[in-house]
Amino acid sequence: QQQVKQSPQSLIVQKGGISIINCAYENTAFDYFPWYQQFPGKGPALLIAIRPDVSEKKEGRFTISFNKSAKQFSLHIMDSQPGDSATYFCAADYLTGGGNKLTFGTGTQLKVEL
Amino acid sequence: KAGVTQTPRYLIKTRGQQVTLSCSPISGHRSVSWYQQTPGQGLQFLFEYFSETQRNKGNFPGRFSGRQFSNSRSEMNVSTLELGDSALYLCASRPGGSYNEQFFGPGTRLTVL
Repeated sequence: QQQVKQSPQSLIVQKGGISIINCAYENTAFDYFPWYQQFPGKGPALLIAIRPDVSEKKEGRFTISFNKSAKQFSLHIMDSQPGDSATYFCAADYLTGGGNKLTFGTGTQLKVEL
Repeated sequence: KAGVTQTPRYLIKTRGQQVTLSCSPISGHRSVSWYQQTPGQGLQFLFEYFSETQRNKGNFPGRFSGRQFSNSRSEMNVSTLELGDSALYLCASRPGGSYNEQFFGPGTRLTVL
């Protein structure tokens, strides 16, 4: 049972364009929503994360938009660069109890072309 | 600080064998989690250890097990390997408590023939 759905599976964007990746979750108990970036041969690295009490969070060129009522969140990469070409994963977790059990989306392969 | 290290980086086994993977977390981190990454299933949570105790467990069969030592280093074991166990196994560590960010290692690529 997939609890976090991610789209699109792949994305090609021109340099300088905006990359948008969308995720939807089912379990309203999730209260932490991170995005990870993974380059080939490397483990995922945290890019940016948001809590459900905030509708938007921006860090540099990366912005998370969060819609609690729709149970959706998205990653926007502004001024996309070839170095942003990687696989992006959204995820969700429960923070209650201090434990961790990240549930990941299926990933989006982003390619930024010159 | 050194990052999360995983050994070995690559491993080839045959069906029916067992395998042990090792993870050294970032110094001071008490929580270690393991994930399986495959093209078909994506990233799936296996289990989390904190202070030598398993705190959370994903939906994997009992053939997958793990442990954590007093120095926070962790091992995961897969017994009676199946072809479908071929995957990248990722370890992630975090300080624990309310600190959420997990730091991933480069993974161990396991191939089962």
